[in-house]
Amino acid sequence: ETGVTQSPTHLIKTRGQQVTLRCSSQSGHNTVSWYQQALGQGPQFIFQYYREEENGRGNFPPRFSGLQFPNYSSELNVNALELDDSALYLCASSGPPGQGNEKLFFGSGTQLSVL
Amino acid sequence: DAKTTQPPSMDCAEGRAANLPCNHSTISGNEYVYWYRQIHSQGPQYIIHGLKNNETNEMASLIITEDRKSSTLILPHATLRDTAVYYCIVRPLLSGGYQKVTFGTGTKLQVIP
Repeated sequence: ETGVTQSPTHLIKTRGQQVTLRCSSQSGHNTVSWYQQALGQGPQFIFQYYREEENGRGNFPPRFSGLQFPNYSSELNVNALELDDSALYLCASSGPPGQGNEKLFFGSGTQLSVL
Repeated sequence: DAKTTQPPSMDCAEGRAANLPCNHSTISGNEYVYWYRQIHSQGPQYIIHGLKNNETNEMASLIITEDRKSSTLILPHATLRDTAVYYCIVRPLLSGGYQKVTFGTGTKLQVIP
């Protein structure tokens, strides 16, 4: 069983640039969500994707957007980067209803630094 | 989701039981208690969850008080690899595509040799 994988592991960008982060969900999982974790804080929910559609969003501006592909992998895009966007970005997946989907499985994250 | 209160940090001697408390006095009847942990530089890892009965798995035990206003996560024989931030979360059972989990700041557990 393949776990959740994220790429890249580290990234450095400058203010105003755009970034794309990628996530491959665990085998058999069709739901993916993204979290932002600032230093010393718990992860904060950004949004989730189910069957290629966004179906839940946290308190993040529209410059945070995403995609989910037919193979359930996902991208997180952030436009017009700000210094406060520096954080660890985590991807999580879970399985379809009725199949032990009470657990979230997280990747190791992408550490984004905005200079 | 109901709010939880956890101590910011705890120490535990290696080989001893680690007992991590969590208060969730505003928990609703349909809300479960979940525990995750996050080892440095990794994503959170699911540990256990429960509704009102005590639960045990290969990683830990979860003790929920009868009034469900508090719970304790027990790591029976802590090892150095259990050093991590432990998050107590209260929310309805994850179902379908609903994955929003509200994390607090958790308890930083330091296992001491």
